[in-house]
Amino acid sequence: QVQLQESGPGLVKPSETLSLTCTVSGGSISSYYWSWIRQPPGKGLEWIGYLDHSGSTNYNPSLKSRVTISVDTSKNQISLKLSSVIAADTAVYYCARGGLEWSLRDWGQGTLVTVSS
Amino acid sequence: EIVLTQSPATLSLSPGERATLSCGASQSVSSGYLAWYQQKPGLAPRLLIYDVSSRATGIPDRFSGSGSGTDFTLTISRLEPEDFAVYYCQQYGSSPATFGQGTRLEIK
Repeated sequence: QVQLQESGPGLVKPSETLSLTCTVSGGSISSYYWSWIRQPPGKGLEWIGYLDHSGSTNYNPSLKSRVTISVDTSKNQISLKLSSVIAADTAVYYCARGGLEWSLRDWGQGTLVTVSS
Repeated sequence: EIVLTQSPATLSLSPGERATLSCGASQSVSSGYLAWYQQKPGLAPRLLIYDVSSRATGIPDRFSGSGSGTDFTLTISRLEPEDFAVYYCQQYGSSPATFGQGTRLEIK
């Protein structure tokens, strides 16, 4: 079974860029689709976007202007960058295996990112 | 964007009872790409059902999914104490993938 682990700063200032990394073990990163999902405290799930095995990306239109998802196959890592953050971007951020036409079969434990000055 | 509406928002039942959770879509879900997830406090969601009715690896057979088009159901045949959690449906056939707002299954 594929295992995923998110990492990155837990606190980001407003207007700055949130940067997270998801390290994948137990499977080839090039073989699957990979998604980022977030969950504000006490609220539901929001799909941010995904990257497919060819490196193509697909983003939620609500975040598209601020999001970049990329892959580093040499490190078996997927990264998320979200620019110009505001308080409403405070959430637990999850990476998961899956994407469009693929259910989210394996999830990382999630990492809480707080946007505050 | 496909909007998923889950009902009820909260379901209060006792262990041993049958649970029926509903998920309605604002338009037809492409190719039956509909999944159900279970989330417990402080943990990541866990995939239960994919492609409407296929159980994920290791999921007990008391969980079953059904439906088509715009109406989908998750059924838990006999509730176990560990089943009390929040359940989300998700469609992943049309971009952006979307989730329902969740159903909280609580012990009566």
